[in-house]
Amino acid sequence: DIQMTQSPSSLSASVGDRVTITCRASQSISNYLSWYHQKAGKAPKLLIYAASTLQSGVPSRFSGSGSGTEFTLTISSLQPEDFATYYCQQNYSTPYTFGQGTKLEI
Amino acid sequence: EVQLVESGGGLIEPGESLRLSCAASGFPFNKAWMSWVRQAPGKGLEWVGRIISSNDGGRIDYGAPVKGRFTISRDDSKNTLYLQMNSLTTEDTAVYFCIWELPSPGNFEYWGQGTLVTVSS
Repeated sequence: DIQMTQSPSSLSASVGDRVTITCRASQSISNYLSWYHQKAGKAPKLLIYAASTLQSGVPSRFSGSGSGTEFTLTISSLQPEDFATYYCQQNYSTPYTFGQGTKLEI
Repeated sequence: EVQLVESGGGLIEPGESLRLSCAASGFPFNKAWMSWVRQAPGKGLEWVGRIISSNDGGRIDYGAPVKGRFTISRDDSKNTLYLQMNSLTTEDTAVYFCIWELPSPGNFEYWGQGTLVTVSS
């Protein structure tokens, strides 16, 4: 199985900050990488797929980059609604696997 | 409007079985690739398995922790996805989400609200 490792596990930031979350795959997954965020008690929401394609309706302050084994999610200017837990996920091959999550806190 | 509504969760004892259902509406269910993802309390996301459309071959894949114990099926005439769970253990305690894979296979755009399964004696 492909293992996904996110860093950091938690992150404290302020409104207006630029933040970056990193995700590493245990083997090359080309660009088959998605990012989600999840607020407490809610289902996750797809933000980015194919490593860098912004899902429809997602604000442009979110961006993704990377290929192979190293990927990043960047939020250019944090808004209050962005404080949540973020997950990366590989869909290169089944079993699909998620990173352990990054909790973004104020 | 796309809707995915899970049902069938509850409290169950170790070793017993449970079947979850996911009622789908607002999209062509018979063409949809569908996944189940679960989340244990306070933990991260874990992919359970998926079933692709009958038109595309109907293949079913599972994650290692559930392979041989869980069975995914679909009834396209009822627009319903199922997850039959057997030999449940406390490790299976989680919220189970039903997902329509979009915009491409392996991407999870549409999620249900989830149903909680608690395995405890």
